[in-house]
Amino acid sequence: KQEVTQIPAALSVPEGENLVLNCSFTDSAIYNLQWFRQDPGKGLTSLLLIQSSQREQTSGRLNASLDKSSGRSTLYIAASQPGDSATYLCAVRFLMDSNYQLIWGAGTKLIIKP
Amino acid sequence: DGGITQSPKYLFRKEGQNVTLSCEQNLNHDAMYWYRQDPGQGLRLIYYSQIVNDFQKGDIAEGYSVSREKKESFPLTVTSAQKNPTAFYLCASSMGGGPSGANVLTFGAGSRLTVL
Repeated sequence: KQEVTQIPAALSVPEGENLVLNCSFTDSAIYNLQWFRQDPGKGLTSLLLIQSSQREQTSGRLNASLDKSSGRSTLYIAASQPGDSATYLCAVRFLMDSNYQLIWGAGTKLIIKP
Repeated sequence: DGGITQSPKYLFRKEGQNVTLSCEQNLNHDAMYWYRQDPGQGLRLIYYSQIVNDFQKGDIAEGYSVSREKKESFPLTVTSAQKNPTAFYLCASSMGGGPSGANVLTFGAGSRLTVL
């Protein structure tokens, strides 16, 4: 059974620091992986999508990497700002029984202290 | 602006009552999804629909029902058979895709259901 794990569940850092969020998955046969942001009581916004053939994707201050062999993805946030405070979710798309299944991590709640 | 509208944002229910959560999209997306989000857990798929008048069970469909009479609408009914319905419910849509959706999933703002 595929599982997606995000550790830590919560993280608090001072403003301006660079930080890394982690996502691990149990099956290396992934199709792609996405990072989402969720603000309190709100829906999800897609941040970055990495295909299984890619090693990283960048958008502004965000950089996501993918290492299929070790079953890990990281989301790097440079020069963190209070507005980055949110829960970050990792979702992995696997091919199972001729269908794609999307498995979600529980998220990491990030607090950036001014 | 195109998007997904979920209502109500907050809903309180007494035990034994059925409640219906609304989800409307004006993105012309074919596929729509309902997810349940609980603290400390990943999103779990309840039901999805790839086309009007057709829908499929997800991983945790027991105690829930849906309908897809119009392309724009995918309401979710939480029935009294759902033993632990208190949760945050998210509706999503995409241009296509099976249970996982296409690469671009658009989410609504969610509905929080509390059973009293």
